[in-house]
Amino acid sequence: QQPVQSPQAVILREGEDAVINCSSSKALYSVHWYRQKHGEAPVFLMILLKGGEQKGHEKISASFNEKKQQSSLYLTASQLSYSGTYFCGTVPANAGGTSYGKLTFGQGTILTVHP
Amino acid sequence: NAGVTQTPKFRILKIGQSMTLQCTQDMNHNYMYWYRQDPGMGLKLIYYSVGAGITDKGEVPNGYNVSRSTTEDFPLRLELAAPSQTSVYFCAILDFRNVKNGYTFGSGTRLTVV
Repeated sequence: QQPVQSPQAVILREGEDAVINCSSSKALYSVHWYRQKHGEAPVFLMILLKGGEQKGHEKISASFNEKKQQSSLYLTASQLSYSGTYFCGTVPANAGGTSYGKLTFGQGTILTVHP
Repeated sequence: NAGVTQTPKFRILKIGQSMTLQCTQDMNHNYMYWYRQDPGMGLKLIYYSVGAGITDKGEVPNGYNVSRSTTEDFPLRLELAAPSQTSVYFCAILDFRNVKNGYTFGSGTRLTVV
């Protein structure tokens, strides 16, 4: 089942912060985050594994709450280059060793950063 | 080191025609995937492969076929194209020995069926 992302879209001014959420109805083993600019391929940002870890990438970080079956992506002090569509991709916990890296993607969150 | 190369970048097909979307990688990754992305939507898995000679269906396999005779190549075949197959197709690879690096995507093939 497809994870649900919220919000669907967010508009920021440079320097503002944003949070993008990814919620699943299933227990999760891992969550990937990707950014896609218009007309381009998605680019990998980070992966979070079950265990509630938090990771960072430049001024972008993320958390993974197993109990809530939810991951959040935090963008701080946004830059114009952060504009794009953000996707989460999930691997269910019951896939075990047979997931073979298959991801189920959310519908995306469009982030627009204005000067 | 090109990573993942997809050809063609654009294609217009007439209903009922067939074509093959090419995907080639030079990173020696075993895992390869085909996803489609409809306008304003997320990506849906069509087929995947865990190595040469091994393929399996994803979420939306109907109307497509794949083969994997070598580690490098993973072509996607459309038979009897339909307007519902209008989409952007992405090939992706994953190093199963280091999944923390995530997917590497090709640049995509934009297909229109008229």
